[in-house]
Formats: sequence, C-alpha cells, structure tokens
Amino acid sequence: AQSVAQPEDQVNVAEGNPLTVKCTYSVSGNPYLFWYVQYPNRGLQFLLKYITGDNLVKGSYGFEAEFNKSQTSFHLKKPSALVSDSALYFCAVRDFRSSNTGKLIFGQGTTLQVKP
Amino acid sequence: DADVTQTPRNRITKTGKRIMLECSQTKGHDRMYWYRQDPGLGLRLIYYSFDVKDINKGEISDGYSVSRQAQAKFSLSLESAIPNQTALYFCATSPQGTGGTEAFFGQGTRLTVV
Repeated sequence: AQSVAQPEDQVNVAEGNPLTVKCTYSVSGNPYLFWYVQYPNRGLQFLLKYITGDNLVKGSYGFEAEFNKSQTSFHLKKPSALVSDSALYFCAVRDFRSSNTGKLIFGQGTTLQVKP
Repeated sequence: DADVTQTPRNRITKTGKRIMLECSQTKGHDRMYWYRQDPGLGLRLIYYSFDVKDINKGEISDGYSVSRQAQAKFSLSLESAIPNQTALYFCATSPQGTGGTEAFFGQGTRLTVV
C-alpha cells in the first residue's frame, strides 16, 4: 500500500540556520513526490515536486528537496531559515497506479518553528 | 480572485443537522477532490470526481456525499453531522494528464459540529 511518513511532528530551528523536514515514502513503482506548505488560516500551497531527472529539486521561497531512491526519502531543505517559514509542511506522493486519478497520499504534517 | 474557492470558510453546526460545503474553481480542471485534515493525520481523501458523471469514493467516504453540479462546482454534504466530523475540509483540483501535475487547493472550510 502507498504511504508517506513524516517522522517529526515539529522541527525547531533558529533563524539563519539550515533546516530539514523529513519525509519517507512507500509506493509501488516510481513515485511522484510533492511538498506543500500551509500557513495559518490558509490553504495548501505547492512548494515543489519530483517527477524524474535530477535528484535535487528546487522550488518556491528558496526551498529544495532531495530525492533518494535507495532510502525512499524526499527531505525538504533550506540553507537559511526565515521566521516567515514557520508553518505546517506536508509531503505527498502519487504512484503510477493512482497517476490517472490524481489522488495524493499525504504525510501527517510537520510543524516548522523558526525562532528569531 | 482565488482559483479554487470554498464556502463557507467557517461553520459551526449542531449534531444531526445537514450541511453542505461548496467548492468552485476557475482553473478549468476536470478533476476535483475533497480532503479532510485532522491534526496528526494529514489530509485524507473523502471523494473525488473526474467529471459531472464520474464520482468516486475516497478512503473515508462514510457519512459524506458529494455532487458535481458542473465542471467548476463540487459540493460536499454531511447528511447528519456528528462531532467527529469536526475538521478542516479542503477542496482541490488537478488537470488531466500525467501523474506529475500538482493539485491546487482552496483555502479550506473549518467545520465544527457541536
């Protein structure tokens, strides 16, 4: 069965430090992987995706993510965190079986808290 | 204007009442989805639709029904609301095509059942 795991409920980081939000997945076949961000009282905003090709994917707001097939991971990273990055982050996956339906499987979400 | 619009944004209702959440989109996408978000559980799929004649159950459809009135409109109904349906509900759209296209989300409806 398809699944996504975000092992950390919350990540705390000081402003200016690098941040990592972890995501691991389990799918049959090749995955399509996504990161979304949810700011308070807002909907989900798309950050970036991995479809194929270069394992390092760059997205919005200076975020990037690294696809690691052997570790079945897709961790979200940013070299220098901002207080405004504080939000709830979701990892999601779609595999080839659900590609026609467009259904996404979401992780539990990780709250990122960036302290000044 | 938002591409995916949900109404209402917030709603408090009583147990046993019928309530409808509405979603409209201007993106021209064929596919529409209703998800439910609960703390610690992420988003879970309730129903999805490929067009007005194609409605499919998601993983947690019990207690919910949907209506696809037009390509641009997809409504979620709770026929008899219960407290454990208190959650944040999201509508989403995506275009037909490869699995690599991202979904676009509305701003959510916060529903409280008392």
